[in-house]
Amino acid sequence: ETGVTQSPTHLIKTRGQQVTLRCSSQSGHNTVSWYQQALGQGPQFIFQYYREEENGRGNFPPRFSGLQFPNYSSELNVNALELDDSALYLCASSLDGGGVTDTQYFGPGTRLTVL
Amino acid sequence: QKEVEQDPGPLSVPEGAIVSLNCTYSNSAFQYFMWYRQYSRKGPELLMYTYSSGNKEDGRFTAQVDKSSKYISLFIRDSQPSDSATYLCAMSPILTGGGNKLTFGTGTQLKVEL
Repeated sequence: ETGVTQSPTHLIKTRGQQVTLRCSSQSGHNTVSWYQQALGQGPQFIFQYYREEENGRGNFPPRFSGLQFPNYSSELNVNALELDDSALYLCASSLDGGGVTDTQYFGPGTRLTVL
Repeated sequence: QKEVEQDPGPLSVPEGAIVSLNCTYSNSAFQYFMWYRQYSRKGPELLMYTYSSGNKEDGRFTAQVDKSSKYISLFIRDSQPSDSATYLCAMSPILTGGGNKLTFGTGTQLKVEL
């Protein structure tokens, strides 16, 4: 077990709604990354937070936003949901930001379905 | 063209077979290469990582990197039914600052049959 937990496990929303997904990192891990994994695809990097500041962002629109808290928890917020946002959302925690050898430990994911 | 290409499979092999999983990439900035295993309804877990061209062995698993050809492989010897999963290659550039973003392949679904 990696010690990274995510909630909820599954979520169903309708187009246009807003959603908040939560992640609890391993204790002591200062970095959290969020990925979107569409069915049959590999995870795509959304953004990374290091010590509560955004530390890199992938090709996702601003309606994807995040927060990281001092207690090793974090959130991914998505506004104005679209059908294509249906995916498995993964968070990954790692010890320190920027280190290429910094192993990312993934949680089990939240499966979001947008109707 | 995707930065990382991976044959999605599915790949079905008998128990005990040698499995070869492959990825190609186009971005020369990628210097750090990883293989993740993802079981159904689980998050990816890191199997192996390597920086340099050549082979790296860990038990039944061998990772191979050929930077000149932009080609990486994962070999699984004596495959077991418990190896049945989706295998994802992932890559990252070496960054001097923050944000070690991983770029993943699409994953290859492997089934090892008794």
